[in-house]
Amino acid sequence: EAQVTQNPRYLITVTGKKLTVTCSQNMNHEYMSWYRQDPGLGLRQIYYSMNVEVTDKGDVPEGYKVSRKEKRNFPLILESPSPNQTSLYFCASSLSGGGGQPQHFGDGTRLSIL
Amino acid sequence: KNQVEQSPQSLIILEGKNCTLQCNYTVSPFSNLRWYKQDTGRGPVSLTIMTFSENTKSNRRYTATLDADTKQSSLHITASQLSDSASYICVVSNTDKLIFGTGTRLQVFP
Repeated sequence: EAQVTQNPRYLITVTGKKLTVTCSQNMNHEYMSWYRQDPGLGLRQIYYSMNVEVTDKGDVPEGYKVSRKEKRNFPLILESPSPNQTSLYFCASSLSGGGGQPQHFGDGTRLSIL
Repeated sequence: KNQVEQSPQSLIILEGKNCTLQCNYTVSPFSNLRWYKQDTGRGPVSLTIMTFSENTKSNRRYTATLDADTKQSSLHITASQLSDSASYICVVSNTDKLIFGTGTRLQVFP
């Protein structure tokens, strides 16, 4: 089954403790992206990757890191999480960037930073 | 500034009724507009895409319209079902970026 898999689905942690949210897709997609979704603000792009070893900042990249060493994986790293990063995070992939292809989203990771 | 605005923010209707969701955008240059459905606890799923030359497109009980002159799109849901309860997100792309609306939360009651 074609899918985007995120782990963990839920995480409660404390300020400053480094964490990684993994994202994997099995559709051989070139483009991958991370979003956060907050009430009243909608989906905001954190980082995106057009292809392996190519990543770029989205609209809200501060406090986050990403890497794209393999086509299928695109982990999101919070080196020193803070409470304002408490949010619902989505990973997405598509055949290509630019919006011409539909994005396939994972089911989300709910992060709570205390 | 590139923006996508959706209305209403939330909507409650009875099962079997029709409804229309609105999306207004100020995105330039315009590439395409896509509607996504997001069920509670799930990621968004694409419903339909509208390009500049398309006025209307249907996908089962969902009909999307696009007026590129007024920069407006609508999503019409016919004969609503309980499973239509979800958030509906309008996303407009220019040549290199996606601009997301904040969504309309639809609740369908029996």
